[in-house]
Amino acid sequence: SYELTQPPSVSVSPGQTARITCSGDALPKKYVYWYQQKSGQAPVAVIYEDNKRPSGIPERFSGSTSGTMATLIISGAQVDDEADYHCYSVDSSDNEGVFGGGTKLTVL
Amino acid sequence: EVQLLESGGNLVQPGGSLRLSCAASGFTFRHYAMTWVRQAPGKGLEWVSSISRSGTTTYITDSLKGRLSISRDNAKNTLSLEMSSLRVEDTARYFCVRTGMYFDYWGQGTLVTVSS
Repeated sequence: SYELTQPPSVSVSPGQTARITCSGDALPKKYVYWYQQKSGQAPVAVIYEDNKRPSGIPERFSGSTSGTMATLIISGAQVDDEADYHCYSVDSSDNEGVFGGGTKLTVL
Repeated sequence: EVQLLESGGNLVQPGGSLRLSCAASGFTFRHYAMTWVRQAPGKGLEWVSSISRSGTTTYITDSLKGRLSISRDNAKNTLSLEMSSLRVEDTARYFCVRTGMYFDYWGQGTLVTVSS
């Protein structure tokens, strides 16, 4: 079955740029979505269709793609951005959705 | 205000069955596809199943095919998930998710525990 691969953890200091990657064979042809999940809460979308930001999401969140890899970029990361980040996409047949394993972002 | 309220989660023995429901309000339910996503304790998110606006098209993750059925009642603004032959590894919080251009609204989830 199709898989998306994320690093288990990323750590940055406040004000630095955090980059979280997500790799998958179908990403050159399929959109990627990014969801932020804080402890004990439901996920919230921060990027959709590779690089679009939902209403209300700060401009410091952006997305990029290159080949089989997508990257969530948090410019000037804040302590409040500490959370798990999950990428999501679909397989090449559009029949099955898949999440990456999630990346724990630490900002300290 | 969009609200998604899941119910039906419970402790069930391996091999048992369960029906989860999601009551939607605050938007025109029939205008949106809907999705179930689950999360095992301490683990990542897992896409489970999606259903089209009319309910005529459904998608189920390969690992659950044959044990799971998704449906909706647009007259009652309700999404359902029927699970059978439950396994210990099905233990998770199950989220009901409105599906527009992305997963834009999530419920708080209902907890399913499969244990003897």
